[in-house]
Amino acid sequence: EIVLTQSPGTLSLSPGERATLSCRASQSVSSSYLAWYQQKPGQAPRLLIYGASSRVTGIPDRFSGSGSGTDFTLTISRLEPEDFAVYYCQQYGSSPYTFGQGTKLEIK
Amino acid sequence: EVQLVESGEDLVQPGGSLRLSCAASGFTFSNYAMSWVRQAPGKGLEWVSAISGSGGSTSYADSLRGRLTISRDNSKNTLYLQMNTLRAEDTAVYYCAKAWSNWGSSGFDSWGQGTLVTVSS
Repeated sequence: EIVLTQSPGTLSLSPGERATLSCRASQSVSSSYLAWYQQKPGQAPRLLIYGASSRVTGIPDRFSGSGSGTDFTLTISRLEPEDFAVYYCQQYGSSPYTFGQGTKLEIK
Repeated sequence: EVQLVESGEDLVQPGGSLRLSCAASGFTFSNYAMSWVRQAPGKGLEWVSAISGSGGSTSYADSLRGRLTISRDNSKNTLYLQMNTLRAEDTAVYYCAKAWSNWGSSGFDSWGQGTLVTVSS
Protein backbone atom coordinates (compact mmCIF):
# COMPACT_ATOMS: atom_id res chain seq x y z
CA GLU A 1 0.00 0.00 0.00
CA ILE A 2 1.29 3.46 -0.91
CA VAL A 3 1.19 5.81 2.07
CA LEU A 4 0.78 9.51 1.28
CA THR A 5 2.01 12.06 3.80
CA GLN A 6 0.82 15.64 3.41
CA SER A 7 2.50 18.66 4.93
CA PRO A 8 1.93 20.89 6.65
CA GLY A 9 -1.10 19.65 8.56
CA THR A 10 -2.41 23.21 8.83
CA LEU A 11 -1.36 26.22 6.80
CA SER A 12 -2.37 29.70 7.97
CA LEU A 13 -2.21 32.35 5.28
CA SER A 14 -3.95 35.55 4.24
CA PRO A 15 -5.93 36.20 1.06
CA GLY A 16 -3.59 37.21 -1.73
CA GLU A 17 -0.70 35.08 -0.45
CA ARG A 18 0.76 32.02 -2.15
CA ALA A 19 0.06 28.56 -0.75
CA THR A 20 2.33 25.56 -1.26
CA LEU A 21 1.02 22.16 -0.15
CA SER A 22 3.17 19.04 -0.21
CA CYS A 23 2.31 15.37 -0.71
CA ARG A 24 5.03 12.74 -0.32
CA ALA A 25 4.50 9.08 -1.25
CA SER A 26 6.11 6.08 0.44
CA GLN A 27 6.94 4.67 -2.99
CA SER A 28 6.88 5.97 -6.51
CA VAL A 29 3.43 6.79 -7.88
CA SER A 30 3.18 5.16 -11.28
CA SER A 31 2.71 7.44 -14.28
CA SER A 32 2.12 10.38 -11.95
CA TYR A 33 -1.34 9.07 -11.12
CA LEU A 34 -1.78 11.68 -8.43
CA ALA A 35 -4.88 13.80 -7.84
CA TRP A 36 -5.71 16.74 -5.61
CA TYR A 37 -9.15 17.38 -4.09
CA GLN A 38 -10.62 20.31 -2.22
CA GLN A 39 -13.19 19.78 0.52
CA LYS A 40 -15.18 22.47 2.29
CA PRO A 41 -17.14 21.84 5.51
CA GLY A 42 -20.28 19.83 4.95
CA GLN A 43 -19.48 19.25 1.28
CA ALA A 44 -18.20 16.39 -0.80
CA PRO A 45 -14.64 16.59 -2.13
CA ARG A 46 -14.08 18.27 -5.49
CA LEU A 47 -11.43 17.18 -7.97
CA LEU A 48 -8.95 19.94 -8.81
CA ILE A 49 -5.91 18.30 -10.38
CA TYR A 50 -5.26 14.89 -11.95
CA GLY A 51 -2.20 13.32 -13.48
CA ALA A 52 -0.18 15.41 -11.00
CA SER A 53 -0.44 18.58 -13.07
CA SER A 54 -3.59 18.61 -15.24
CA ARG A 55 -6.21 21.04 -14.07
CA VAL A 56 -9.86 20.04 -14.28
CA THR A 57 -11.98 22.16 -16.60
CA GLY A 58 -13.45 25.06 -14.68
CA ILE A 59 -10.81 25.12 -11.96
CA PRO A 60 -9.15 28.57 -11.79
CA ASP A 61 -5.62 28.78 -13.15
CA ARG A 62 -4.32 29.98 -9.79
CA PHE A 63 -4.35 26.26 -8.89
CA SER A 64 -1.42 24.26 -10.24
CA GLY A 65 0.06 20.86 -9.55
CA SER A 66 3.57 19.59 -10.04
CA GLY A 67 5.85 16.73 -9.16
CA SER A 68 6.58 13.14 -10.02
CA GLY A 69 7.82 9.95 -8.43
CA THR A 70 7.33 10.44 -4.71
CA ASP A 71 7.09 14.22 -4.32
CA PHE A 72 4.13 16.29 -5.41
CA THR A 73 3.02 19.86 -4.81
CA LEU A 74 -0.21 21.80 -5.08
CA THR A 75 0.32 25.53 -5.44
CA ILE A 76 -2.35 28.21 -5.16
CA SER A 77 -0.72 31.31 -6.57
CA ARG A 78 -2.89 33.97 -4.99
CA LEU A 79 -5.39 32.91 -2.37
CA GLU A 80 -9.01 33.91 -2.68
CA PRO A 81 -11.41 33.75 0.31
CA GLU A 82 -13.15 30.70 -1.20
CA ASP A 83 -9.89 28.72 -1.31
CA PHE A 84 -9.75 28.19 2.43
CA ALA A 85 -10.61 24.52 2.83
CA VAL A 86 -9.03 21.11 3.36
CA TYR A 87 -6.97 19.66 0.52
CA TYR A 88 -6.28 15.97 -0.05
CA CYS A 89 -3.90 14.23 -2.40
CA GLN A 90 -4.74 10.76 -3.71
CA GLN A 91 -2.77 8.22 -5.67
CA TYR A 92 -4.74 6.13 -8.14
CA GLY A 93 -1.90 4.23 -9.76
CA SER A 94 -2.31 1.11 -7.68
CA SER A 95 -5.00 -0.32 -5.46
CA PRO A 96 -5.70 0.55 -2.69
CA TYR A 97 -6.23 4.09 -3.97
CA THR A 98 -4.94 5.86 -0.90
CA PHE A 99 -5.46 9.44 0.24
CA GLY A 100 -3.19 11.68 2.23
CA GLN A 101 -4.38 12.81 5.64
CA GLY A 102 -5.16 16.31 4.37
CA THR A 103 -3.86 19.86 4.74
CA LYS A 104 -6.17 22.42 6.27
CA LEU A 105 -5.72 25.83 4.70
CA GLU A 106 -7.02 28.43 7.12
CA ILE A 107 -7.29 32.19 7.12
CA LYS A 108 -4.59 33.91 9.12
CA GLU B 1 -25.09 16.98 -15.38
CA VAL B 2 -23.73 14.08 -13.37
CA GLN B 3 -25.75 13.34 -10.25
CA LEU B 4 -24.97 10.77 -7.59
CA VAL B 5 -27.46 10.34 -4.77
CA GLU B 6 -26.65 8.02 -1.90
CA SER B 7 -29.22 6.45 0.41
CA GLY B 8 -29.25 3.97 3.28
CA GLU B 9 -28.36 6.31 6.12
CA ASP B 10 -29.02 4.56 9.39
CA LEU B 11 -28.12 3.86 12.99
CA VAL B 12 -26.99 0.23 13.26
CA GLN B 13 -25.96 -1.86 16.23
CA PRO B 14 -22.48 -3.36 16.34
CA GLY B 15 -22.47 -6.65 14.48
CA GLY B 16 -25.33 -5.54 12.26
CA SER B 17 -25.59 -5.18 8.51
CA LEU B 18 -26.55 -2.39 6.15
CA ARG B 19 -26.80 -1.84 2.41
CA LEU B 20 -26.05 1.52 0.89
CA SER B 21 -27.27 2.58 -2.52
CA CYS B 22 -26.14 5.26 -4.95
CA ALA B 23 -28.44 6.30 -7.79
CA ALA B 24 -26.58 7.73 -10.76
CA SER B 25 -27.79 9.94 -13.59
CA GLY B 26 -26.43 12.27 -16.23
CA PHE B 27 -23.90 9.86 -17.76
CA THR B 28 -23.70 6.37 -19.25
CA PHE B 29 -23.38 4.49 -15.98
CA SER B 30 -22.03 1.22 -17.38
CA ASN B 31 -19.09 2.99 -19.02
CA TYR B 32 -17.46 4.02 -15.76
CA ALA B 33 -15.98 2.40 -12.70
CA MET B 34 -17.43 3.50 -9.39
CA SER B 35 -16.05 3.62 -5.86
CA TRP B 36 -17.09 4.09 -2.28
CA VAL B 37 -15.04 6.46 -0.13
CA ARG B 38 -15.74 7.07 3.53
CA GLN B 39 -14.94 9.80 6.04
CA ALA B 40 -15.16 9.26 9.78
CA PRO B 41 -16.33 12.29 11.80
CA GLY B 42 -13.62 14.94 11.79
CA LYS B 43 -11.22 12.68 9.89
CA GLY B 44 -9.81 12.34 6.40
CA LEU B 45 -10.91 10.41 3.34
CA GLU B 46 -10.54 6.64 3.12
CA TRP B 47 -11.06 4.71 -0.10
CA VAL B 48 -13.23 1.66 0.58
CA SER B 49 -13.98 -0.25 -2.61
CA ALA B 50 -14.21 0.00 -6.40
CA ILE B 51 -16.08 -1.83 -9.15
CA SER B 52 -15.56 -1.81 -12.90
CA GLY B 53 -18.13 -0.51 -15.35
CA SER B 54 -19.35 -4.01 -16.19
CA GLY B 55 -19.28 -5.11 -12.58
CA GLY B 56 -16.91 -7.94 -13.41
CA SER B 57 -13.96 -6.60 -11.43
CA THR B 58 -13.87 -5.39 -7.85
CA SER B 59 -11.29 -4.15 -5.39
CA TYR B 60 -11.39 -3.58 -1.64
CA ALA B 61 -9.34 -1.87 1.04
CA ASP B 62 -7.39 -4.61 2.82
CA SER B 63 -8.72 -3.64 6.25
CA LEU B 64 -12.32 -4.03 5.08
CA ARG B 65 -12.06 -7.04 2.79
CA GLY B 66 -14.40 -9.83 3.83
CA ARG B 67 -16.98 -7.57 5.46
CA LEU B 68 -17.98 -5.58 2.40
CA THR B 69 -19.45 -6.41 -0.98
CA ILE B 70 -19.64 -3.82 -3.74
CA SER B 71 -22.04 -4.41 -6.62
CA ARG B 72 -23.92 -2.54 -9.29
CA ASP B 73 -27.07 -2.89 -11.37
CA ASN B 74 -26.41 -1.19 -14.68
CA SER B 75 -30.05 -1.60 -15.72
CA LYS B 76 -31.03 0.57 -12.76
CA ASN B 77 -27.97 2.88 -12.83
CA THR B 78 -27.37 2.04 -9.19
CA LEU B 79 -24.30 1.23 -7.13
CA TYR B 80 -24.49 -0.73 -3.88
CA LEU B 81 -22.34 -1.43 -0.84
CA GLN B 82 -23.32 -4.30 1.44
CA MET B 83 -21.67 -3.95 4.84
CA ASN B 84 -21.68 -6.78 7.36
CA THR B 85 -20.41 -7.26 10.92
CA LEU B 86 -20.37 -3.51 11.42
CA ARG B 87 -18.11 -2.00 14.07
CA ALA B 88 -18.08 1.35 15.83
CA GLU B 89 -15.08 2.37 13.70
CA ASP B 90 -17.21 1.99 10.57
CA THR B 91 -19.13 5.09 11.63
CA ALA B 92 -18.62 7.56 8.79
CA VAL B 93 -20.12 9.45 5.92
CA TYR B 94 -20.01 7.16 2.90
CA TYR B 95 -19.60 8.81 -0.51
CA CYS B 96 -20.07 7.19 -3.85
CA ALA B 97 -17.67 8.52 -6.45
CA LYS B 98 -17.49 8.21 -10.22
CA ALA B 99 -14.20 7.29 -11.86
CA TRP B 100 -13.20 8.75 -15.20
CA SER B 101 -12.37 5.38 -16.70
CA ASN B 102 -14.05 1.97 -17.00
CA TRP B 103 -11.52 0.29 -14.70
CA GLY B 104 -7.97 0.63 -13.50
CA SER B 105 -6.06 3.75 -12.67
CA SER B 106 -8.54 6.53 -12.19
CA GLY B 107 -9.41 9.17 -9.68
CA PHE B 108 -12.89 10.48 -9.02
CA ASP B 109 -14.40 13.33 -10.98
CA SER B 110 -17.87 13.36 -9.40
CA TRP B 111 -19.05 12.65 -5.88
CA GLY B 112 -22.39 12.20 -4.16
CA GLN B 113 -23.40 14.24 -1.15
CA GLY B 114 -22.70 11.32 1.20
CA THR B 115 -24.80 9.21 3.54
CA LEU B 116 -24.12 8.83 7.26
CA VAL B 117 -23.72 5.40 8.80
CA THR B 118 -23.64 5.32 12.58
CA VAL B 119 -22.70 2.12 14.37
CA SER B 120 -23.63 2.27 18.02
CA SER B 121 -25.53 0.36 20.66
